[in-house]
Amino acid sequence: KAGVTQTPRYLIKTRGQQVTLSCSPISGHRSVSWYQQTPGQGLQFLFEYFSETQRNKGNFPGRFSGRQFSNSRSEMNVSTLELGDSALYLCASSLNRGGDTGELFFGEGSRLTVL
Amino acid sequence: EDQVTQSPEALRLQEGESSSLNCSYTVSGLRGLFWYRQDPGKGPEFLFTLYSAGEEKEKERLKATLTKKESFLHITAPKPEDSATYLCENGNKLVFGAGTILRVKS
Repeated sequence: KAGVTQTPRYLIKTRGQQVTLSCSPISGHRSVSWYQQTPGQGLQFLFEYFSETQRNKGNFPGRFSGRQFSNSRSEMNVSTLELGDSALYLCASSLNRGGDTGELFFGEGSRLTVL
Repeated sequence: EDQVTQSPEALRLQEGESSSLNCSYTVSGLRGLFWYRQDPGKGPEFLFTLYSAGEEKEKERLKATLTKKESFLHITAPKPEDSATYLCENGNKLVFGAGTILRVKS
Protein backbone atom coordinates (compact mmCIF):
# COMPACT_ATOMS: atom_id res chain seq x y z
CA LYS A 1 0.00 0.00 0.00
CA ALA A 2 1.15 3.54 -0.70
CA GLY A 3 3.14 5.30 2.01
CA VAL A 4 2.96 8.84 3.27
CA THR A 5 3.53 11.33 0.46
CA GLN A 6 4.92 14.80 1.04
CA THR A 7 5.16 17.56 -1.55
CA PRO A 8 7.21 19.37 -2.54
CA ARG A 9 10.38 17.47 -1.64
CA TYR A 10 12.65 20.49 -1.95
CA LEU A 11 12.00 24.19 -2.03
CA ILE A 12 13.89 27.43 -1.70
CA LYS A 13 12.28 30.60 -0.39
CA THR A 14 13.48 34.01 0.69
CA ARG A 15 12.94 35.71 4.03
CA GLY A 16 9.47 37.16 4.46
CA GLN A 17 7.79 34.80 2.04
CA GLN A 18 5.34 32.12 3.04
CA VAL A 19 5.27 28.42 2.21
CA THR A 20 2.67 25.67 2.14
CA LEU A 21 3.62 22.01 2.47
CA SER A 22 1.34 19.10 1.73
CA CYS A 23 1.01 15.63 3.22
CA SER A 24 -1.11 12.71 2.02
CA PRO A 25 -1.37 10.03 4.73
CA ILE A 26 -1.64 6.30 4.31
CA SER A 27 -5.16 5.32 3.32
CA GLY A 28 -7.26 4.75 6.44
CA HIS A 29 -5.01 6.75 8.74
CA ARG A 30 -6.88 9.61 10.40
CA SER A 31 -4.08 11.13 12.46
CA VAL A 32 -1.47 13.36 10.85
CA SER A 33 1.36 15.00 12.75
CA TRP A 34 4.06 17.42 11.62
CA TYR A 35 7.66 17.81 12.77
CA GLN A 36 10.56 20.14 12.14
CA GLN A 37 14.00 18.55 12.05
CA THR A 38 17.23 20.51 12.23
CA PRO A 39 20.76 19.33 13.08
CA GLY A 40 20.84 21.41 16.23
CA GLN A 41 17.34 20.81 17.61
CA GLY A 42 16.52 17.30 16.46
CA LEU A 43 12.94 16.31 15.73
CA GLN A 44 10.53 18.87 17.13
CA PHE A 45 6.76 18.30 17.26
CA LEU A 46 4.71 21.00 15.52
CA PHE A 47 1.09 19.83 15.68
CA GLU A 48 -1.20 16.85 15.31
CA TYR A 49 -4.52 16.65 13.55
CA PHE A 50 -7.21 14.04 13.95
CA SER A 51 -10.47 14.11 12.01
CA GLU A 52 -9.86 17.70 10.86
CA THR A 53 -9.27 18.95 14.42
CA GLN A 54 -5.97 20.04 15.89
CA ARG A 55 -5.50 17.74 18.85
CA ASN A 56 -2.02 18.69 20.05
CA LYS A 57 0.32 21.58 19.42
CA GLY A 58 4.02 21.96 20.01
CA ASN A 59 5.89 25.02 21.16
CA PHE A 60 6.18 26.96 17.90
CA PRO A 61 5.15 30.55 17.07
CA GLY A 62 1.84 31.34 15.42
CA ARG A 63 3.59 31.72 12.05
CA PHE A 64 3.34 27.94 11.88
CA SER A 65 -0.15 26.71 11.17
CA GLY A 66 -1.82 23.67 9.70
CA ARG A 67 -5.08 22.11 8.74
CA GLN A 68 -6.52 18.75 7.84
CA PHE A 69 -9.13 18.06 5.20
CA SER A 70 -12.01 15.60 5.26
CA ASN A 71 -9.95 13.07 3.30
CA SER A 72 -7.25 13.26 6.04
CA ARG A 73 -4.79 15.06 3.77
CA SER A 74 -3.01 17.81 5.64
CA GLU A 75 -1.19 21.02 4.89
CA MET A 76 1.09 23.15 6.97
CA ASN A 77 1.86 26.79 6.35
CA VAL A 78 4.72 28.95 7.51
CA SER A 79 4.29 32.67 7.06
CA THR A 80 6.92 35.42 7.17
CA LEU A 81 9.77 33.01 6.73
CA GLU A 82 12.95 33.46 8.75
CA LEU A 83 16.41 32.03 8.10
CA GLY A 84 15.97 29.75 11.12
CA ASP A 85 12.99 28.06 9.47
CA SER A 86 15.35 26.22 7.14
CA ALA A 87 14.80 22.58 8.04
CA LEU A 88 13.45 19.23 7.00
CA TYR A 89 9.71 19.18 7.63
CA LEU A 90 8.35 15.71 8.23
CA CYS A 91 4.79 14.50 8.21
CA ALA A 92 3.64 11.27 9.82
CA SER A 93 0.35 9.43 9.80
CA SER A 94 -1.02 6.83 12.17
CA LEU A 95 -4.06 4.66 12.69
CA ASN A 96 -4.75 6.17 16.10
CA ARG A 97 -6.33 3.23 17.90
CA GLY A 98 -8.05 3.89 21.22
CA GLY A 99 -7.17 7.56 21.33
CA ASP A 100 -3.41 6.99 21.24
CA THR A 101 -1.42 8.09 18.23
CA GLY A 102 0.51 4.83 18.08
CA GLU A 103 3.11 3.84 15.55
CA LEU A 104 4.03 6.66 13.19
CA PHE A 105 4.60 6.26 9.47
CA PHE A 106 6.74 9.07 8.13
CA GLY A 107 7.03 10.61 4.72
CA GLU A 108 10.36 11.46 3.10
CA GLY A 109 10.03 15.08 4.17
CA SER A 110 10.07 18.51 2.55
CA ARG A 111 13.44 20.22 2.74
CA LEU A 112 12.97 23.97 3.03
CA THR A 113 15.84 26.39 2.53
CA VAL A 114 15.26 30.03 3.41
CA LEU A 115 17.70 32.53 1.88
CA GLU B 1 7.53 18.72 31.78
CA ASP B 2 7.72 15.54 29.73
CA GLN B 3 11.23 14.84 28.54
CA VAL B 4 13.03 12.16 26.59
CA THR B 5 16.82 12.04 26.77
CA GLN B 6 19.03 9.81 24.65
CA SER B 7 22.65 8.84 25.18
CA PRO B 8 25.22 8.74 23.85
CA GLU B 9 24.82 11.42 21.18
CA ALA B 10 27.08 9.45 18.85
CA LEU B 11 28.52 5.96 18.93
CA ARG B 12 31.20 4.43 16.74
CA LEU B 13 31.51 0.66 16.73
CA GLN B 14 33.56 -1.86 14.87
CA GLU B 15 31.60 -4.48 13.02
CA GLY B 16 30.69 -7.21 15.51
CA GLU B 17 31.20 -4.99 18.57
CA SER B 18 27.97 -5.12 20.59
CA SER B 19 26.70 -2.11 22.55
CA SER B 20 23.58 -0.40 23.90
CA LEU B 21 21.80 2.89 23.36
CA ASN B 22 19.88 4.53 26.18
CA CYS B 23 16.61 6.44 26.29
CA SER B 24 15.51 7.86 29.61
CA TYR B 25 12.13 9.49 30.05
CA THR B 26 10.27 11.58 32.58
CA VAL B 27 6.69 11.56 31.42
CA SER B 28 3.35 11.24 33.10
CA GLY B 29 1.13 8.46 31.92
CA LEU B 30 3.48 6.77 29.47
CA ARG B 31 1.41 5.09 26.80
CA GLY B 32 4.11 3.51 24.73
CA LEU B 33 7.83 4.07 24.26
CA PHE B 34 8.68 3.91 20.58
CA TRP B 35 12.01 3.33 18.82
CA TYR B 36 12.66 4.52 15.27
CA ARG B 37 15.56 4.29 12.87
CA GLN B 38 16.38 7.18 10.53
CA ASP B 39 18.69 7.02 7.53
CA PRO B 40 20.20 10.24 6.14
CA GLY B 41 17.72 12.26 4.07
CA LYS B 42 14.79 10.01 4.94
CA GLY B 43 11.94 9.97 7.42
CA PRO B 44 12.19 7.81 10.55
CA GLU B 45 11.12 4.18 10.28
CA PHE B 46 9.34 2.40 13.11
CA LEU B 47 11.23 -0.34 14.95
CA PHE B 48 9.55 -1.23 18.27
CA THR B 49 6.86 -0.25 20.75
CA LEU B 50 7.20 -1.09 24.45
CA TYR B 51 4.35 -0.54 26.87
CA SER B 52 5.28 -1.92 30.28
CA ALA B 53 8.38 -2.36 32.45
CA GLY B 54 10.08 -5.67 31.78
CA GLU B 55 8.86 -5.89 28.22
CA GLU B 56 11.40 -6.87 25.55
CA LYS B 57 11.19 -6.98 21.76
CA GLU B 58 13.69 -8.23 19.19
CA LYS B 59 14.29 -7.72 15.51
CA GLU B 60 17.35 -9.18 13.84
CA ARG B 61 20.36 -7.75 15.71
CA LEU B 62 18.30 -5.29 17.75
CA LYS B 63 16.61 -5.83 21.11
CA ALA B 64 14.66 -3.17 22.96
CA THR B 65 13.94 -3.32 26.69
CA LEU B 66 11.95 -1.09 29.03
CA THR B 67 12.16 -0.22 32.72
CA LYS B 68 10.08 2.29 34.65
CA LYS B 69 12.48 5.12 33.81
CA GLU B 70 14.45 4.12 30.73
CA SER B 71 14.66 1.99 27.64
CA PHE B 72 17.67 0.36 26.07
CA LEU B 73 18.28 -0.58 22.46
CA HIS B 74 20.84 -3.37 22.45
CA ILE B 75 22.73 -3.98 19.22
CA THR B 76 24.36 -7.39 18.97
CA ALA B 77 27.20 -7.97 16.49
CA PRO B 78 26.32 -4.88 14.43
CA LYS B 79 26.99 -4.59 10.72
CA PRO B 80 27.74 -1.46 8.67
CA GLU B 81 24.13 -1.42 7.43
CA ASP B 82 23.00 -0.79 11.01
CA SER B 83 24.54 2.68 10.74
CA ALA B 84 21.74 5.22 11.22
CA THR B 85 20.28 7.62 13.75
CA TYR B 86 18.15 5.88 16.36
CA LEU B 87 15.34 7.89 17.92
CA CYS B 88 13.07 7.12 20.84
CA GLU B 89 9.70 8.74 21.36
CA ASN B 90 7.16 9.07 24.10
CA GLY B 91 4.08 7.97 22.18
CA ASN B 92 1.78 9.76 24.56
CA LYS B 93 3.01 13.24 23.76
CA LEU B 94 4.89 12.83 20.46
CA VAL B 95 8.11 13.95 22.14
CA PHE B 96 11.30 12.64 20.57
CA GLY B 97 14.77 12.34 21.99
CA ALA B 98 17.64 14.01 20.14
CA GLY B 99 18.76 10.65 18.83
CA THR B 100 21.93 8.58 18.83
CA ILE B 101 24.01 8.58 15.65
CA LEU B 102 25.42 5.09 15.22
CA ARG B 103 28.35 4.39 12.86
CA VAL B 104 29.50 0.82 12.38
CA LYS B 105 32.84 0.35 10.59
CA SER B 106 33.81 -2.83 8.80
